Amino acid sequence: AQSVAQPEDQVNVAEGNPLTVKCTYSVSGNPYLFWYVQYPNRGLQFLLKYITGDNLVKGSYGFEAEFNKSQTSFHLKKPSALVSDSALYFCAVRDASGAGSYQLTFGKGTKLSVIP
Amino acid sequence: GAGVSQTPSNKVTEKGKYVELRCDPISGHTALYWYRQSLGQGPEFLIYFQGTGAADDSGLPNDRFFAVRPEGSVSTLKIQRTERGDSAVYLCASSPLSGYPQETQYFGPGTRLLVL
Repeated sequence: AQSVAQPEDQVNVAEGNPLTVKCTYSVSGNPYLFWYVQYPNRGLQFLLKYITGDNLVKGSYGFEAEFNKSQTSFHLKKPSALVSDSALYFCAVRDASGAGSYQLTFGKGTKLSVIP
Repeated sequence: GAGVSQTPSNKVTEKGKYVELRCDPISGHTALYWYRQSLGQGPEFLIYFQGTGAADDSGLPNDRFFAVRPEGSVSTLKIQRTERGDSAVYLCASSPLSGYPQETQYFGPGTRLLVL
């Protein structure tokens, strides 16, 4: 079985400060990892993904994430937060081994609030 | 280009009624997924189509739920004898090829279903 944990329900950060949204995962094989963002009354928008290769992945809107296999983590980061980054962020995993590989398993989400 | 579209955006129905939710994937996308997002939770997988056939329906909660994709493009999620617990946002996603694990899934805006 595959699972994702987002330990923080909410993260508050001041505008201009760096932000981190945490994610840990569990899969039986190698992971494919994704971050999505959800604005109110809208669907999920893809930010970035880790498939293989460089552990630091860069994505849309200045976001990046670092894959850490030993810690089974995939934390989302941004050097300087904007008020417009305020939204709900979801981490998701797929097992590359083929077990349940069609479906994405999501965390419960982290609400990011950037304070002006 | 056009993204994934879903209709209706909102649906209010009474307990015991039948509802249909429609998804138009991105043109040319072979794989189509349905997810359900309950309040305060991440999306949960329901069913995956590869072309016209349901390749994985392991997420459907019971036999009141059914989905079709007769021509390999538009999909309809059908819920019979709706219950209050079915109230959620139903999300549709599509991806370009036939569900390879590393593919990005692109989500629609969702249909918000409320069962009274």
